[in-house]
Amino acid sequence: AQSVTQLGSHVSVSEGALVLLRCNYSSSVPPYLFWYVQYPNQGLQLLLKYTSAATLVKGINGFEAEFKKSETSFHLTKPSAHMSDAAEYFCAVSAGYNQGGKLIFGQGTELSVKP
Amino acid sequence: GAVVSQHPSWVICKSGTSVKIECRSLDFQATTMFWYRQFPKQSLMLMATSNEGSKATYEQGVEKDKFLINHASLTLSTLTVTSAHPEDSSFYICSARDGGILTGELFFGEGSRLTVL
Repeated sequence: AQSVTQLGSHVSVSEGALVLLRCNYSSSVPPYLFWYVQYPNQGLQLLLKYTSAATLVKGINGFEAEFKKSETSFHLTKPSAHMSDAAEYFCAVSAGYNQGGKLIFGQGTELSVKP
Repeated sequence: GAVVSQHPSWVICKSGTSVKIECRSLDFQATTMFWYRQFPKQSLMLMATSNEGSKATYEQGVEKDKFLINHASLTLSTLTVTSAHPEDSSFYICSARDGGILTGELFFGEGSRLTVL
């Protein structure tokens, strides 16, 4: 079975500082991994995805994530935080097409950006 | 990119009434749609998987008769909360997979906030 663990329910950084949101996964098959962002009272927007191509994945808004199989990790980073990055971030793993392609989400990490 | 639209965004109803939430894929055909529920400051909990033309598959612990799901066309799935009670108040989010994309990516609607008085 697939699962995702996000380390840290809340991360606070200063504007301009490095953003690092941690995600570890467990999967019995080669995983498809995703990072989504959610702003208050809104749905989820895809930041980036890993689908067994390049291990370093670049997404929107300057975010990127690196797939490390040996560490079963898919951490999200951004070199310089912006105030508009404050939101809830979810890491997710696909359960695979044999399970209907549903996504299993982590607990979420709330990112705060201080001026 | 693919767009999924939900309606209504906000709904307030009285206890005991039923509420229908619509989820539409606007520019692609969605053979599969997923319904999630989200409590404040928590993650998304998958409620059910909706397949066009067949019965929905519910996750363990989700009441089928309480949360009726219909996926009558390739662009529309509906979630009906029957005989709603205050504990059903939540943020409901639908998502859809473009059948032509074999990467497992889901596109999400804007969410529907239900408040039951």
